[in-house]
Amino acid sequence: AQTVTQSQPEMSVQEAETVTLSCTYDTSENNYYLFWYKQPPSRQMILVIRQEAYKQQNATENRFSVNFQKAAKSFSLKISDSQLGDTAMYFCAYLSGTYKYIFGTGTRLKVLA
Amino acid sequence: DTGVSQDPRHKITKRGQNVTFRCDPISEHNRLYWYRQTLGQGPEFLTYFQNEAQLEKSRLLSDRFSAERPKGSFSTLEIQRTEQGDSAMYLCASSPRSRDGYGYTFGSGTRLTVV
Repeated sequence: AQTVTQSQPEMSVQEAETVTLSCTYDTSENNYYLFWYKQPPSRQMILVIRQEAYKQQNATENRFSVNFQKAAKSFSLKISDSQLGDTAMYFCAYLSGTYKYIFGTGTRLKVLA
Repeated sequence: DTGVSQDPRHKITKRGQNVTFRCDPISEHNRLYWYRQTLGQGPEFLTYFQNEAQLEKSRLLSDRFSAERPKGSFSTLEIQRTEQGDSAMYLCASSPRSRDGYGYTFGSGTRLTVV
């Protein structure tokens, strides 16, 4: 069975600084997708970034980028130029052909003014 | 299209009562999912529908839980004889028929408190 582990329950970063959130996963599958979702107090899960496992190039979306290490089964999220609106819970998630997400336990990120 | 809608937003119920939640997916999405999120945890898969057919149920979905999606449009999740352990956020999501996660959209959830 696939598992997703986030070992940082809480993190904080100063506004405009850079922060990296960690995620590791375990799977025996070769084709899968990895995601970072943001859950602000409004509760809706918002997609931040996605990575296809068959792509070696790390995904980037504006201030958000990932470091995908397939052999190490590691998938970290880097947030550059942190903004107050980035304050939220961040979930790492795995998706394969079963259509259902497997989420980690989340990292609570607080951006300090 | 305003996204995935869930109703109610909050529900407080007494132990032993039945509750029903509703989810309205994005209209062109034929897949609909229910997840449960307890405090301090990530969402956990409960069940999913393709059109009106319920194709998979998690072992988390005990006999007290039932989900329906009549006519392949909105879905309801009913919990009978609620227990305090049922207190959680119930998230609905919908997606087109794809395996890569594109278009997967979550609602804002229904927060259930059983007292």
